[in-house]
Amino acid sequence: DAGVIQSPRHEVTEMGQEVTLRCKPISGHDYLFWYRQTMMRGLELLIYFNNNVPIDDSGMPEDRFSAKMPNASFSTLKIQPSEPRDSAVYFCASSPQGFSYEQYFGPGTRLTVT
Amino acid sequence: ELKVEQNPLFLSMQEGKNYTIYCNYSTTSDRLYWYRQDPGKSLESLFVLLSNGAVKQEGRLMASLDTKARLSTLHITAAVHDLSATYFCAVNSGNQFYFGTGTSLTVIP
Repeated sequence: DAGVIQSPRHEVTEMGQEVTLRCKPISGHDYLFWYRQTMMRGLELLIYFNNNVPIDDSGMPEDRFSAKMPNASFSTLKIQPSEPRDSAVYFCASSPQGFSYEQYFGPGTRLTVT
Repeated sequence: ELKVEQNPLFLSMQEGKNYTIYCNYSTTSDRLYWYRQDPGKSLESLFVLLSNGAVKQEGRLMASLDTKARLSTLHITAAVHDLSATYFCAVNSGNQFYFGTGTSLTVIP
């Protein structure tokens, strides 16, 4: 298996623009997680899905952030409009059966908002 | 909000030495995870600890969990340079995961 795939790997955009991050989980994994990593705040869970259904989005910082999982093999995290404070590395992770199992992280998307 | 504290934050150790990283958390949980992150890279799962007294070992790393003390340890035996990385613990509480601040480990030849 190719592991969790994320695209793009790097994104540079101007403040106010829409940004869409993409993730393909490992086939057969029922859980998908979106994380954000910054120097100031460390690693934060933003949202997670179980069988394509959003279960907990309490970590989503504000309404500018939204996430979808239209099918078992694809998820998006959208920021609209983007702000400089959104600059971070965004990781997607998947897990076969929830919290009792390890999560497999993708390579991350490094987002820079200028 | 659950707090997860790791110490030390930075650790420099010589090859061949032993050391322990500590992870304390502030509320009841019986799921504790350890991850490794190399600079500029993603996270790699090391251990999943699911019950009080759980102990897992892989190579030179051994992790344990004491849910009563709300403490997990990651013990490094006879460190080698390849173990240089940042190590994170994470705790599951309800529907959330909370990560520690990370311990940056440098193993000096």
